[in-house]
Amino acid sequence: DAKTTQPNSMESNEEEPVHLPCNHSTISGTDYIHWYRQLPSQGPEYVIHGLTSNVNNRMASLAIAEDRKSSTLILHRATLRDAAVYYCILRGYTGANSKLTFGKGITLSVRP
Amino acid sequence: GAVVSQHPSWVICKSGTSVKIECRSLDFQATTMFWYRQFPKQSLMLMATSNEGSKATYEQGVEKDKFLINHASLTLSTLTVTSAHPEDSSFYICSAIQGINTEAFFGQGTRLTVV
Repeated sequence: DAKTTQPNSMESNEEEPVHLPCNHSTISGTDYIHWYRQLPSQGPEYVIHGLTSNVNNRMASLAIAEDRKSSTLILHRATLRDAAVYYCILRGYTGANSKLTFGKGITLSVRP
Repeated sequence: GAVVSQHPSWVICKSGTSVKIECRSLDFQATTMFWYRQFPKQSLMLMATSNEGSKATYEQGVEKDKFLINHASLTLSTLTVTSAHPEDSSFYICSAIQGINTEAFFGQGTRLTVV
């Protein structure tokens, strides 16, 4: 399975942008890059996903490196409700690569 | 967005009994569902992948006879923890996905406590 590497934790200030990095040097051409986040005692929540081009939605932006070996989740204005564990996951088309396997994620803290 | 409903939210059962957890996709047809368990301060651990109408694929180390998964329809999957023991106490989470290149939606989780 392709793996991702994320820092353990990051702190940010409220209303400032946050850039959460993810390395995935062994990504294959058909792997999608997914981001999910989880608040305590809740199921994960979908944030964004993409393949090659940068993606934007109402929650965040996803910047994907040209070689696709890394990506960055961008929260444009962090709020206290954005404090969560963020998971960067690769998901492919078939077989073992189509599973949704979670790593340790990055814990984001937001200071008021 | 799409909704996945998981029931019950929490359950307490006696050691040796069985517990069934339901996972429903409310407004879409889920071709694939995933079941996870999560211990405190740890990440989600994938237990099994379930495709509608076929047998679930279990991850290494997960006992298929203990954790029975049924995916009888495109909107419902169930996980039955058989002969539960205190070490099975955990947070169980389901996820449903509509297609290969689409996002996954998660249930709110089930807190199982075996006493």
